[in-house]
Amino acid sequence: AQSVTQLDSQVPVFEEAPVELRCNYSSSVSVYLFWYVQYPNQGLQLLLKYLSGSTLVKGINGFEAEFNKSQTSFHLRKPSVHISDTAEYFCAVSEVASYGKLTFGQGTILTVHP
Amino acid sequence: DADVTQTPRNRITKTGKRIMLECSQTKGHDRMYWYRQDPGLGLRLIYYSFDVKDINKGEISDGYSVSRQAQAKFSLSLESAIPNQTALYFCATSDFRGDYYNEQFFGPGTRLTVL
Repeated sequence: AQSVTQLDSQVPVFEEAPVELRCNYSSSVSVYLFWYVQYPNQGLQLLLKYLSGSTLVKGINGFEAEFNKSQTSFHLRKPSVHISDTAEYFCAVSEVASYGKLTFGQGTILTVHP
Repeated sequence: DADVTQTPRNRITKTGKRIMLECSQTKGHDRMYWYRQDPGLGLRLIYYSFDVKDINKGEISDGYSVSRQAQAKFSLSLESAIPNQTALYFCATSDFRGDYYNEQFFGPGTRLTVL
């Protein structure tokens, strides 16, 4: 069965600093990988996804993530964060044969301080 | 207009009551999902449906039931609510075609409190 671990439950950072949110997954088969963002009192919105091809994936709002198959990781990065990036971020995995079923990590709360 | 809507947005109920959460979508997707979100646990899958005649249990289906009334409607019921079902509930839809392959689209959520 697939599983996802987000290594940090909270990440505080100052505005304009770089940030990395870490995600590791476990699966015995090929997977698709996703990062979702949840702003306060809202639903989830897709940031980016890896289905195949280039291991460096670019998403919305200047975020990017790199798929590392050997380390089973899919870390999310942004070179310079804004106050508006304050939100909870979820990593999710879907096994290729699972017909779209997602398994989510526990979430990382990113707080950007002025 | 929102593509995935959930009603009600907030609900407070008492232990033992039956409650239904409704989800509607205008995206034309066949696949629909119900999740619950608890702090520190992320989202966990309750039920999912790949079409009107196909309904499947997810990771935490005990205490819940669902109904897929039409392609666009997927309801979640708590037959006898208990306090540990207090959570934020999300409906989602997905498609396997085109640019949005395998991407799930989420509703705004229903905050349920069971006293």
